[in-house]
Amino acid sequence: EAEVAQSPRYKITEKSQAVAFWCDPISGHATLYWYRQILGQGPELLVQFQDESVVDDSQLPKDRFSAERLKGVDSTLKIQPAELGDSAMYLCASSLAGQGADTQYFGPGTRLTVL
Amino acid sequence: SQQGEEDPQALSIQEGENATMNCSYKTSINNLQWYRQNSGRGLVHLILIRSNEREKHSGRLRVTLDTSKKSSSLLITASRAADTASYFCATGVLTGGGNKLTFGTGTQLKVEL
Repeated sequence: EAEVAQSPRYKITEKSQAVAFWCDPISGHATLYWYRQILGQGPELLVQFQDESVVDDSQLPKDRFSAERLKGVDSTLKIQPAELGDSAMYLCASSLAGQGADTQYFGPGTRLTVL
Repeated sequence: SQQGEEDPQALSIQEGENATMNCSYKTSINNLQWYRQNSGRGLVHLILIRSNEREKHSGRLRVTLDTSKKSSSLLITASRAADTASYFCATGVLTGGGNKLTFGTGTQLKVEL
């Protein structure tokens, strides 16, 4: 069964350093999402791509976070510089077309710890 | 920001018992979905119910939706130890960019042998 791939699974960094997370969605899925999940809470959407275009980045802290999906397939989420409050699970999800109430399939996540 | 609030925050039951989790939300929605998350892992989609539906079943899962009360419930019948996980409701609003999900705070379910 096809899955969303994410790497790394775990990342420990010091504050003010740069970090990057990678996501490979299920093949053929046009829509890709990045979520942040703070321990004990539900995921919150950071950015949504439709193919290579950003369709929603209203909750992305643009002063330090950036996301790209250059060829409309895999995606990278970057934080520079990392802050203590960025410690969280970063989840990537994909869906077939982003139209209508389609199912989002989640990857295993990247657990970020900022020291 | 969290749209939905799950109740209870934590639930502990014996294997074989039924588990009921509730979700309340604040604004109008087009659909509501339930997800399961095992400790430290990604989310797994369980079931989707549209705003014009009142009840859906999938295996041992039963979901209800009451849009007048802005609430939903998830019932897991004949629970198993493997059902131990966190359960999240997510409200969906259809926008130009697709179905925007807003997740609740989750219910931690523990099923004991």
